[in-house]
Amino acid sequence: GAGVSQSPSNKVTEKGKDVELRCDPISGHTALYWYRQSLGQGLEFLIYFQGNSAPDKSGLPSDRFSAERTGGSVSTLTIQRTQQEDSAVYLCASSFSQGAYFGGYTFGSGTRLTVV
Amino acid sequence: SQQGEEDPQALSIQEGENATMNCSYKTSINNLQWYRQNSGRGLVHLILIRSNEREKHSGRLRVTLDTSKKSSSLLITASRAADTASYFCATDLYYNQGGKLIFGQGTELSVKP
Repeated sequence: GAGVSQSPSNKVTEKGKDVELRCDPISGHTALYWYRQSLGQGLEFLIYFQGNSAPDKSGLPSDRFSAERTGGSVSTLTIQRTQQEDSAVYLCASSFSQGAYFGGYTFGSGTRLTVV
Repeated sequence: SQQGEEDPQALSIQEGENATMNCSYKTSINNLQWYRQNSGRGLVHLILIRSNEREKHSGRLRVTLDTSKKSSSLLITASRAADTASYFCATDLYYNQGGKLIFGQGTELSVKP
């Protein structure tokens, strides 16, 4: 597609429920990243996929968080047993290349998650 | 500790003035990037400067990089009300070959008409 697409744009869920957030990157982008941003804060890295390599999960805050990327394209971030502190905007980004030729990310518009 | 720290946290100027935002970082980098965010949603990539570059321009934007001081600045000249947004620096760390960016906390810029 023309840009990075995230769905849903807004999600309100009850504490303890599971949620799935979806990211559809730009076609041909090999790298995909998930970040989250709490109100008025910077971006916190969560997880990164690059091609067929094992994902970098070093930013996932707990084992309630997981993500997968199917067929090198669409990614789903799953949060199990949601807590109120999970409330944030979850941002997905993709990029074409890495290392010395890295040209920057293209971000989606984010999913605003509210846990009540 | 933060890899990227920006100052000021907030900046308010009049239309037509220049806006300068600074970013400091702690470890060696491949490149440093600046992004803009409107209304707490997706970020837009503005400009990238590589570790072997000292200055870069794009339209009304000028970015400098001083690797000896581990700092960068973003200058927006002749600001407009539409420049009102949050601006983030992000570093692509030298030891990281994966392109994972570490973002600063951002500078909130307000340009008053």
